[in-house]
Amino acid sequence: EEQLVQSGAEVKKPGESLKISCKGSGYSFTNYWIGWVRQMPGKGLEWMGIIYPGDSETRYSPSCQGQVTISVDKSINTAYLQWSSLKASDTAIYYCARVKPPTPEDGFDIWGQGTMVSVSS
Amino acid sequence: DIQMTQSPSSLSASVGDRVTFTCRASQNILRLLAWYQQKPGKAPRLLIYKASTLESGVPSRFSGSGSGTEFTLTISSLQPDDFATYYCQQYYGYSGTFGQGTKVEIK
Repeated sequence: EEQLVQSGAEVKKPGESLKISCKGSGYSFTNYWIGWVRQMPGKGLEWMGIIYPGDSETRYSPSCQGQVTISVDKSINTAYLQWSSLKASDTAIYYCARVKPPTPEDGFDIWGQGTMVSVSS
Repeated sequence: DIQMTQSPSSLSASVGDRVTFTCRASQNILRLLAWYQQKPGKAPRLLIYKASTLESGVPSRFSGSGSGTEFTLTISSLQPDDFATYYCQQYYGYSGTFGQGTKVEIK
């Protein structure tokens, strides 16, 4: 079964760092772009960026550029989203999702279960 | 940055109704548009990609149309399982933007 499994919920304080993960299985992980999507409490979906595990090419949304880092370890079929200094406004559910092949210009066909990140003092 | 505007933001409908949502892009995105369904507490589900291609396993009552800047999602006969929030997403130029969503509620 093709799936993405994300790491568990996190509770952090402002200023702390965080790295959440998304592990792919059941398909050739290095051949499909992976994206991250944010959903703040009670709000809509926000496209954050995508990465190609084969060569780590990454694209960010303008609003996320410089705020987060998207990376990948293809040896363990895992993509990451990380923050160096969290803010309360980073509180949200974060989804990883696979882009339909063969290019990054397509919809997300497989989604992770989501990781809830709560940031509060 | 390409902006996506969905209308209406919500609608009330009955089982069996035909419902149509609209999504407008701030610039020409060709047919590079997807539609998703999201239920509370769940990840989104891809329904339509490339504006009108039905994702595998999605019921045929869902259909998409449009190109350029104006797109529609139609549910031909609303079923109880269809009450959810629907999002459009453009993916032109190695970037992406979602619309703000349309919530479909039971009348």
